[in-house]
Amino acid sequence: QQQVKQSPQSLIVQKGGISIINCAYENTAFDYFPWYQQFPGKGPALLIAIRPDVSEKKEGRFTISFNKSAKQFSLHIMDSQPGDSATYFCAASSHNTDKLIFGTGTRLQVFP
Amino acid sequence: ETGVTQSPTHLIKTRGQQVTLRCSSQSGHNTVSWYQQALGQGPQFIFQYYREEENGRGNFPPRFSGLQFPNYSSELNVNALELDDSALYLCASNLRSVNEQFFGPGTRLTVL
Repeated sequence: QQQVKQSPQSLIVQKGGISIINCAYENTAFDYFPWYQQFPGKGPALLIAIRPDVSEKKEGRFTISFNKSAKQFSLHIMDSQPGDSATYFCAASSHNTDKLIFGTGTRLQVFP
Repeated sequence: ETGVTQSPTHLIKTRGQQVTLRCSSQSGHNTVSWYQQALGQGPQFIFQYYREEENGRGNFPPRFSGLQFPNYSSELNVNALELDDSALYLCASNLRSVNEQFFGPGTRLTVL
């Protein structure tokens, strides 16, 4: 029940295309859903996050879509750039623990 | 605003030895969490410290222990190192009751 399932494992997108990464969770106590971006040899960097009271949040080229009934959320990267090439992790936590449960990661490669 | 810092950057130990990793939280943050990230995997929660006390623990044995100091910095100690302890150890900080966790660059531990 603590798992967060992430897909796909890897993604190849052409420059200017849309990258879509999906996550699903089971624990209905989760109420905070962040996405992290990680470059090789670096720590994860917080990209964007959403709470269950909204269905979508947009920050620049990054959008989170959230479906509470399906217990799924996704990251959309519009106009993908080679500099977006990194590993992306979804995560979830509940307000009473702050403990983040991470997905298994998606390696995104954007080719010019 | 100073971000999360960790030391050392890299560390090589042999089986059975003990190791101490250090973390300075982002200014204004009072909660520190430690995560272990094996190669190609998502970070796994080890434990969290708030007000100098352990405040939640993941599925890690007692040979993983920690401390938090009055200035909110923290240490992770691992005794009786095993080969499987080889990983990137990440420290994250946040302000209690605010979910946003910010990660440091990590310490790469290699156990031979």
